[in-house]
Amino acid sequence: RKEVEQDPGPFNVPEGATVAFNCTYSNSASQSFFWYRQDCRKEPKLLMSVYSSGNEDGRFTAQLNRASQYISLLIRDSKLSDSATYLCVVNGGGSYIPTFGRGTSLIVHP
Amino acid sequence: DVKVTQSSRYLVKRTGEKVFLECVQDMDHENMFWYRQDPGLGLRLIYFSYDVKMKEKGDIPEGYSVSREKKERFSLILESASTNQTSMYLCASSDGQFNEKLFFGSGTQLSVL
Repeated sequence: RKEVEQDPGPFNVPEGATVAFNCTYSNSASQSFFWYRQDCRKEPKLLMSVYSSGNEDGRFTAQLNRASQYISLLIRDSKLSDSATYLCVVNGGGSYIPTFGRGTSLIVHP
Repeated sequence: DVKVTQSSRYLVKRTGEKVFLECVQDMDHENMFWYRQDPGLGLRLIYFSYDVKMKEKGDIPEGYSVSREKKERFSLILESASTNQTSMYLCASSDGQFNEKLFFGSGTQLSVL
């Protein structure tokens, strides 16, 4: 099964900072990509899909680099409420079973 | 909104017991999944089902079985619970072939003593 790798962090940033996470995947045939957010002791929830052209949702920007096989998530103007674990999910490439990375922990402090 | 309901939030069982974890979704989704989540290991797929009575092994099926007798319900069974099965268990569902979006239940924290 394809492998998805993330830096576990934690990324410890002050409020207002810009922070970026990367996620690499090993299966070049992977077709769809997502970022999920998981708050402490809660279930994961879809944050955003990642399109080939990149996409933006407010302070969040996701990008895909197929040549280098990674996706990224950029958070601008970090808020305390952004503190969570961010999970990279890769799908497709012969299997439409979503594969999760281990997650990157973000801590935003005052 | 899609709702995925797991029967218990916390469960404590003894080694050797048979354990049933139940999951119900209310949106007529085709696909359902059971994951376990452990610190440092992330979510690992145990089993999934893409139709009633259909099931496929995930990455770590050993020690587990599943049942899907009705479309809305997907049960995870630990035939003889062991301490290394202490974990957070997450059920998810999605619609369609490509599993574009997973909806998760709130999880069951299982402790096996």
